[in-house]
Amino acid sequence: AQSVTQLDSQVPVFEEAPVELRCNYSSSVSVYLFWYVQYPNQGLQLLLKYLSGSTLVESINGFEAEFNKSQTSFHLRKPSVHISDTAEYFCAVSPSNAGGTSYGKLTFGQGTILTVHP
Amino acid sequence: DTEVTQTPKHLVMGMTNKKSLKCEQHMGHRAMYWYKQKAKKPPELMFVYSYEKLSINESVPSRFSPECPNSSLLNLHLHALQPEDSALYLCASSPHWGTGNTIYFGEGSWLTVV
Repeated sequence: AQSVTQLDSQVPVFEEAPVELRCNYSSSVSVYLFWYVQYPNQGLQLLLKYLSGSTLVESINGFEAEFNKSQTSFHLRKPSVHISDTAEYFCAVSPSNAGGTSYGKLTFGQGTILTVHP
Repeated sequence: DTEVTQTPKHLVMGMTNKKSLKCEQHMGHRAMYWYKQKAKKPPELMFVYSYEKLSINESVPSRFSPECPNSSLLNLHLHALQPEDSALYLCASSPHWGTGNTIYFGEGSWLTVV
């Protein structure tokens, strides 16, 4: 089984400041890692994902996340945030191997609400 | 813009009513999902359909009945719901059911049971 811990339930920052949203996971098998964003009153959108290869992955809107296997972390960062980044961010994992009861399932963290102030 | 379309966006129903939530995708995806999301909580998986067959039922009460009429459509039939079933119901799809696939979510249907 997998579990995901997002260490901060709320992160307030000022516009143009850097931000880091923390995510740690626990799993007995190798996993794929995802960050989803949910804007107010909307569904979830994939922000970025790590499947294999370079441990640093980037999104089209300036976010990046780095997979750290030894620390079982996948923290999300942005060097300069905008008001429009205000949303809830979910870290999620799914097992990378076929078979098992968790096959194909996403396990989400509890979410981090990012609020960007002017 | 999401390519997973859900209707209705809002639904209020009584505990004796029968209603349905509908979901449609035209991305050619062969896996479709229903998730339930309570306020300030992450989404919880309810059902997975793969190639129009029910593959996963996460021990969901029988008052929720999913249906996949074809590869583009997914319904969730609701009957005799309880107030605690009030939540955001998210439909999602992915190219296939399996690891590593990106899951695309709709904007959800807000359900209130009175």
